[in-house]
Amino acid sequence: EVQLVESGGGLVQPGGSLRLSCTASRFTFSRYDMHWVRQATGRGLEWVSGIGAAGDTYYSGSVKGRFTISRENAKNSLYLQMNSLRAGDTAVYYCARAGRDTVTTWGDDAFDIWGQGTMVTVSS
Amino acid sequence: DIQMTQSPSTLSASIGDRVTITCRASQSTGSRLAWYQQKPGKAPNLLIYKASTLENGVPSRFSGSGSGTEFTLTISSLQPDDFATYYCQQYTSYPWTFGQGTKVEIK
Repeated sequence: EVQLVESGGGLVQPGGSLRLSCTASRFTFSRYDMHWVRQATGRGLEWVSGIGAAGDTYYSGSVKGRFTISRENAKNSLYLQMNSLRAGDTAVYYCARAGRDTVTTWGDDAFDIWGQGTMVTVSS
Repeated sequence: DIQMTQSPSTLSASIGDRVTITCRASQSTGSRLAWYQQKPGKAPNLLIYKASTLENGVPSRFSGSGSGTEFTLTISSLQPDDFATYYCQQYTSYPWTFGQGTKVEIK
């Protein structure tokens, strides 16, 4: 089964750092764009960051300059380095796959596979 | 940034009802519009992409339409499993953005 599994969430003080990981299985990870989406408790979905198969990166205005997205294709892994964390960053963080295979171009850029999410709490 | 606005925010409906949710974009997204269903405590699930293409495995009672700035998600006959929150998302230009969500409740 195609799967994404996040890890690395937890409790961190304001101003602190945390690194999230997302491990992919059962698909050729290197061929797909990947994204992070977050959801504060009781709130809607917020796109956070994306990375192309070629390594190009994109950020929302609320995290630009504080968060860094990266990928390690040899380990089928996606990362989100989060620095200067604020209370407003408290949320469940999901990794998601954009469904277009960038080699064959088959598929679409909508998010067809999601992880189960990892909780990040920023509090003193 | 492209702002996505869904209406209504909450919808009360009965089993068998036809349900329509609207999503409006602040500027054209072409057909690069997706719909997701989310149940409490779960990750979102892709229903529709390219505004009107049904994702594999999604029941045919779900349909999407529209292009440019106005889109709709229709459930032709609401089933017990459909009570959830629905989100639209544009993926035509970064930052990708979601609508605020529409919660479909039991009437």
